[in-house]
Amino acid sequence: DVKVTQSSRYLVKRTGEKVFLECVQDMDHENMFWYRQDPGLGLRLIYFSYDVKMKEKGDIPEGYSVSREKKERFSLILESASTNQTSMYLCASSLWGPAALISYEQYFGPGTRLTVT
Amino acid sequence: KNEVEQSPQNLTAQEGEFITINCSYSVGISALHWLQQHPGGGIVSLFMLSSGKKKHGRLIATINIQEKHSSLHITASHPRDSAVYICAVKNSGGSNYKLTFGKGTLLTVNP
Repeated sequence: DVKVTQSSRYLVKRTGEKVFLECVQDMDHENMFWYRQDPGLGLRLIYFSYDVKMKEKGDIPEGYSVSREKKERFSLILESASTNQTSMYLCASSLWGPAALISYEQYFGPGTRLTVT
Repeated sequence: KNEVEQSPQNLTAQEGEFITINCSYSVGISALHWLQQHPGGGIVSLFMLSSGKKKHGRLIATINIQEKHSSLHITASHPRDSAVYICAVKNSGGSNYKLTFGKGTLLTVNP
């Protein structure tokens, strides 16, 4: 079974702090994703990585950065946390395919509920 | 306007009822995903389909590409089916990774 783990289930940080959210997958997937989920807005993509050291911005990258130094690990960084970044953060991974017509199942981690006070 | 619309937003049923959740989308797609999220956060993939119908246990997913519509059916519903059900689509011709998500349908099944 694919397993995607996230470093914390719950996190409370203060405004202005630097926050690291870690995600690890054990199925050798090329693609990894960071989403945030807010009531009434659904899942929104923050950043995506398709290979080590490769990243692409998603729909809402402002205020976030990412790091992928190893294939199995994808980190989300909040450089200076703000209250509007209070949210549920979900990591996911999937296989990568060469064709634009292919879609692969995404496997999600349990989520980190971040509160910024 | 969201590219992916789900209905209803909330659904309450009695145990044993047949349930239908609908998903409509406005773009050409190569695949549609149905996901389930239980209270507490974890999301699991139920189905990925690009045509026709798929069945897994009491769950059935159908898609009509021409009408840009998919349905998720649950037969003989049970309280453990209570969850948020999310529809997501992958645009055809786009990057092979990006999914566009609906806002979800909250299903509550009462005993």
